[in-house]
Order: sequence, then C-alpha cells, then structure tokens
Amino acid sequence: EVQLLESGGGLVQPGGSLRLSCAASGFTLSNYAMYWVRQAPGKGLEWVSAISFSGGSTYYADSVKGRFTVSRDNSKNTLYLQMNTLRTEDTAVYYCAKGEGTAAAGGYFQNWGQGSQVSVS
Amino acid sequence: SYELTQPPSVSVSPGQTASITCSGDKLGHRFLYWYQQKPGQSPVLVIYQDYKRPSGIPERFSGSKSGNTATLTISGTQAMDEADYYCQAWDTSTFVFGTGTKVTVL
Repeated sequence: EVQLLESGGGLVQPGGSLRLSCAASGFTLSNYAMYWVRQAPGKGLEWVSAISFSGGSTYYADSVKGRFTVSRDNSKNTLYLQMNTLRTEDTAVYYCAKGEGTAAAGGYFQNWGQGSQVSVS
Repeated sequence: SYELTQPPSVSVSPGQTASITCSGDKLGHRFLYWYQQKPGQSPVLVIYQDYKRPSGIPERFSGSKSGNTATLTISGTQAMDEADYYCQAWDTSTFVFGTGTKVTVL
C-alpha cells in the first residue's frame, strides 16, 4: 500500500524558512515523479512543485518560483520542499503526491499524503 | 494563464445523477483528471486521462469530454459522495486545478 507521510510544518514568521519532508513507503520512490500541492484555508487546490523520478527535472508554480526548492533523496525514500522567504499567503496545508510515471511533466496525482500545515504569521 | 472553470455547487437527491462540468480552452487537446475531497480529508483521484477509473473507485463515477468541456458524472449518487470535486489539467509546464465544485446530496 502506498503511504506518504508529510512532516516539518509549523508556525513561522514572514520572511522565515521551513523544510517539509515526505516519507514514502509501499513503492519504489526512484521510479516515480513526485509533487507538492497546497490548499489555503477554505480555498481550492493549488499545485506548487514537481520533480521527475531522478530529480533531473523540476517545475514550480509562478507563486513560489525563486523561493521554494523541491528535491528528493531516493536512497532515503524521501521528498523535500525547502520554503524560503515565506509570505502570509503561503499559509496552507501542503500535500505531497505520487505521480504515475517517471516524468513530472504532464503527469497527475495518483496518491496523496495526509498533509502538513504551514502557517505564516 | 490557463484556467479551468467549474460550477461552485451542485445539488443532487440520493439515487439521482450528478453532473459536474469543467471547461477550459483547448480542453480537447489535453488529458483531464478529477479528484474528490471529503471534508477534513486528502484528495483522492477518481478519474484519470478523461474517463479511466482507478482501481477501487466505484463504477458510478464516470468521465467524459466534448469539445472544451469535460464532465464528471456520478450515477446513483450516495450520501458518501458528498464532497468537493476538482478537475485538473497540464498546460505549458504548469498543473492547473479547476475552481472546485461542492456536491451536496440532499
């Protein structure tokens, strides 16, 4: 069974930094693209970032480009999201999601974690 | 930037059919995906590549597309189907979600 467990969220002041982690189990992480999606309080889903199976290709939403960095350590079965220069509008639940193939581009979100709350205030 | 538009809400009686639309430019040239999100829970993929259903998703969920509009249909809607539904597509290095539709089972 695919399991994705996010951690690292919390309360941070504007301008601060946080690093989210997503521990993957039940599948071979190195075979799949991975994603981060967020949801602000009472709002809809917003895609944040994507990374290919090897980490060689990454993509970012315009709203986080230059501030957030996605990475992965396949040997540790873990996905990361480094978030710098945080803004109040970054407050959201952050979900990691597993893709259906190796390429990040054009994929979709096959399995989702339970989410990690990030509050910027 | 690319946009996907959904109706904010849809109401349906138990046992009846709910139809949720998603419209966007050149949608016919893209794959469309649908996610269900129940209150306090993570999203779940219910339709991929326009009409395919992942294992474990009930047959009452179906997807279709015509021109620039895609439709998620829930046949024989049950109380457990009450949730928010989001469509999603890929456009020029960006993943785009629809505005979301709240389905209420009256």
